[in-house]
Amino acid sequence: NAGVTQTPKFQVLKTGQSMTLQCAQDMNHEYMSWYRQDPGMGLRLIHYSVGAGITDQGEVPNGYNVSRSTTEDFPLRLLSAAPSQTSVYFCATDKTGNGNTIYFGEGSWLTVV
Amino acid sequence: RKEVEQDPGPFNVPEGATVAFNCTYSNSASQSFFWYRQDCRKEPKLLMSVYSSGNEDGRFTAQLNRASQYISLLIRDSKLSDSATYLCVVGSGGSYIPTFGRGTSLIVHP
Repeated sequence: NAGVTQTPKFQVLKTGQSMTLQCAQDMNHEYMSWYRQDPGMGLRLIHYSVGAGITDQGEVPNGYNVSRSTTEDFPLRLLSAAPSQTSVYFCATDKTGNGNTIYFGEGSWLTVV
Repeated sequence: RKEVEQDPGPFNVPEGATVAFNCTYSNSASQSFFWYRQDCRKEPKLLMSVYSSGNEDGRFTAQLNRASQYISLLIRDSKLSDSATYLCVVGSGGSYIPTFGRGTSLIVHP
């Protein structure tokens, strides 16, 4: 009964370090996406995927890379962490792609110092 | 201008009160509309879909006004447990980029 699993839940990085946020789903949903949520800014789409092998940029893609080699996994890579990337990151899946079946992971709290 | 606009609040109401939130959207081609609920330090979860004819789920009523391009959420007989942030979500239909509003914060006090 896992749904969407994100790891790690908490991470502190130094400026310039790289890291990968992992996201795995067991619901066989085609659509997956990464959001960041900052106070007063709401959820902002970073990257999304409509199926294995297909990714596209969202609203705030700079500084992040994604890949979708399998239906289950959608990792988010921070290439060179900056303090501006301090945020809460949510991975999400969507069964239909129109917004009514979006399931989020529990979130990853990232602090860049 | 953001595609989906919500009053951030907070709406501070006593238990038992009726409270309503509005959400406006700019894309007239939008096809699907939803309300999600997010508790503090938790992930958002679907509260309810919004249909053209309006829909009700217990104390919650959602309505869509396509002419004025807004959706609404009405909560009757507010409970302490209703305290959360309510996110408006709009789907464009044919394009997988559902847009989230910034959320409206509701605080229900005794």
